[in-house]
Amino acid sequence: AQSVTQPDARVTVSEGASLQLRCKYSYSGTPYLFWYVQYPRQGLQLLLKYYSGDPVVQGVNGFEAEFSKSNSSFHLRKASVHWSDSAVYFCVLSAQTGFASALTFGSGTKVIPCLP
Amino acid sequence: EAAVTQSPRNKVTVTGGNVTLSCRQTNSHNYMYWYRQDTGHGLRLIHYSYGAGNLQIGDVPDGYKATRTTQEDFFLLLELASPSQTSLYFCASSDGWGQGYEQYFGPGTRLTVL
Repeated sequence: AQSVTQPDARVTVSEGASLQLRCKYSYSGTPYLFWYVQYPRQGLQLLLKYYSGDPVVQGVNGFEAEFSKSNSSFHLRKASVHWSDSAVYFCVLSAQTGFASALTFGSGTKVIPCLP
Repeated sequence: EAAVTQSPRNKVTVTGGNVTLSCRQTNSHNYMYWYRQDTGHGLRLIHYSYGAGNLQIGDVPDGYKATRTTQEDFFLLLELASPSQTSLYFCASSDGWGQGYEQYFGPGTRLTVL
């Protein structure tokens, strides 16, 4: 069975500082990976996705992620955090199963920007 | 604009109560999903459907029924609600079933079972 691990439940980061959110996955097939963001009292929105090609993918709002097959990782990065980035970020694995592609969610990482 | 809407946004019921959560999507998508979100677990799939009248079992189906009445509408039913079903419920839709199809999520329904 597939799994996704986000080891950091909360990350506090100064506004203007860089951010990295860690994600490790376990899946025997070829993974299709997403990062979703959940702003307070809202549903989940797609930040970016990766299936093949350049291991660094660009997303919305200045986010990017890097896929590493050797490390089974898909870490999310942002060069300069803004207070509006306060949200919960989910790493998600899409795996082929049955009639649909099942999404396996990590437990999420809450990002808390603070004044520098 | 394509969207997924859910109602109610908040619901409080008592143990043993009967609850129906509603979801409507205007994306013209074939696939719809119900998830629950609990702290430390991310989102977990309850049921999903690939068209009107179809229902597939997800990863955590116990205590839940679902029905897809039209392409747009997908309902989640809790016939004997229990406190363990207190959670945040999300509905989603997608255009297809292969890997890589993005799922579009509704705003969620917060259910409290007393």
